[in-house]
Amino acid sequence: EPEVTQTPSHQVTQMGQEVILRCVPISNHLYFYWYRQILGQKVEFLVSFYNNEISEKSEIFDDQFSVERPDGSNFTLKIRSTKLEDSAMYFCASSEGQGGTQYFGPGTRLLVL
Amino acid sequence: GDSVTQMEGPVTLSEEAFLTINCTYTATGYPSLFWYVQYPGEGLQLLLKATKADDKGSNKGFEATYRKETTSFHLEKGSVQVSDSAVYFCALRVASGTYKYIFGTGTRLKVLA
Repeated sequence: EPEVTQTPSHQVTQMGQEVILRCVPISNHLYFYWYRQILGQKVEFLVSFYNNEISEKSEIFDDQFSVERPDGSNFTLKIRSTKLEDSAMYFCASSEGQGGTQYFGPGTRLLVL
Repeated sequence: GDSVTQMEGPVTLSEEAFLTINCTYTATGYPSLFWYVQYPGEGLQLLLKATKADDKGSNKGFEATYRKETTSFHLEKGSVQVSDSAVYFCALRVASGTYKYIFGTGTRLKVLA
């Protein structure tokens, strides 16, 4: 069964450093999403992406964040200058259509020291 | 705004016990409702869904009924197994520009043999 994959599974970084989280969505899916979950809190929507542009972003997704689909298979989330409060589990998801069921990856646990 | 409230965990049950995990929501319009499950080390997997009032979603012995009058989507299983130990997330999908998901905090279930 096709699945969404994410790398790395864990990332530790120093405050102020740039990180890139990578995702490979399901191959025939056209809509891509990033969510995050700070420990003990809710899973929160960050951004959605379609046709090589951002469709919607939350207030969390400020100028320090960016997303990109650099090739036909990867979907990346970049945090330009990490803060302590960026420590969280980041989930990538994809869906075939706009209202389709979203399929999630296993997540990347980011720890900012 | 739209939101999902789940019962606090962890929930610890003996094998073959009856499970209920409560979920209530606040939403404008007519959201779709979902339960996702996260097994240790894995991603969020869709467990079941319901797209309109009075629909019952079911899968792997789990059930949930979309109750518009009580704005609830409680997850139930008649007889849990050790393999059901996981974190369960209730979510709604809003009919926004990109159909983003809004999640509850997740409820950890531990089933003892």
